[in-house]
Amino acid sequence: DAKTTQPTSMDCAEGRAANLPCNHSTISGNEYVYWYRQIHSQGPQYIIHGLKNNETNEMASLIITEDRKSSTLILPHATLRDTAVYYCIVRANPMIKAAGNKLTFGGGTRVLVKP
Amino acid sequence: DGGITQSPKYLFRKEGQNVTLSCEQNLNHDAMYWYRQDPGQGLRLIYYSQIVNDFQKGDIAEGYSVSREKKESFPLTVTSAQKNPTAFYLCASSLRDSLYGYTFGSGTRLTVV
Repeated sequence: DAKTTQPTSMDCAEGRAANLPCNHSTISGNEYVYWYRQIHSQGPQYIIHGLKNNETNEMASLIITEDRKSSTLILPHATLRDTAVYYCIVRANPMIKAAGNKLTFGGGTRVLVKP
Repeated sequence: DGGITQSPKYLFRKEGQNVTLSCEQNLNHDAMYWYRQDPGQGLRLIYYSQIVNDFQKGDIAEGYSVSREKKESFPLTVTSAQKNPTAFYLCASSLRDSLYGYTFGSGTRLTVV
């Protein structure tokens, strides 16, 4: 699975949009981009995933560049409860490749939402 | 409510003792996983299982053992051979061959003294 690069940390203001970047320049055609977040001392929580189209759900939006080498997770109105470590993960389509459904977590971005 | 349960939340053991961490899910998920997390670090895969009675080593399997006798359960044993067992252990499950993400438990914090 392709490797991802994320900033180590970032701050954002409560009520403002938080834009979290992720580089995945070696992503291949059948690999998806997943985002998870982990609030301190809890298990990670799935946020969103996408292949090439932009995606939106009740938690966030995922913007993937046309060449798919990078993506941005957008939290539209950050709250203090969004303070967490956010992980960007690239994963092969489990229906095409027998990768064992594994998810490989990197270091993530530590996001601090400030009042 | 469907979910994945890890117990206990905190566990203390003396060095040299084996300890078993419990993970149970009622989501009817085929696949289950164990991860280890050290302070300030990401998650590292220990073992995973895609079906009952089958499991594979992850990236850091040495000093750990698992079993998958039932679909709902995937216990992890931390043996005395694990050099640095103190860590936060996370269990997860997912549908096999599905694009849907993992569901994680709330974790067990193991401290070996």
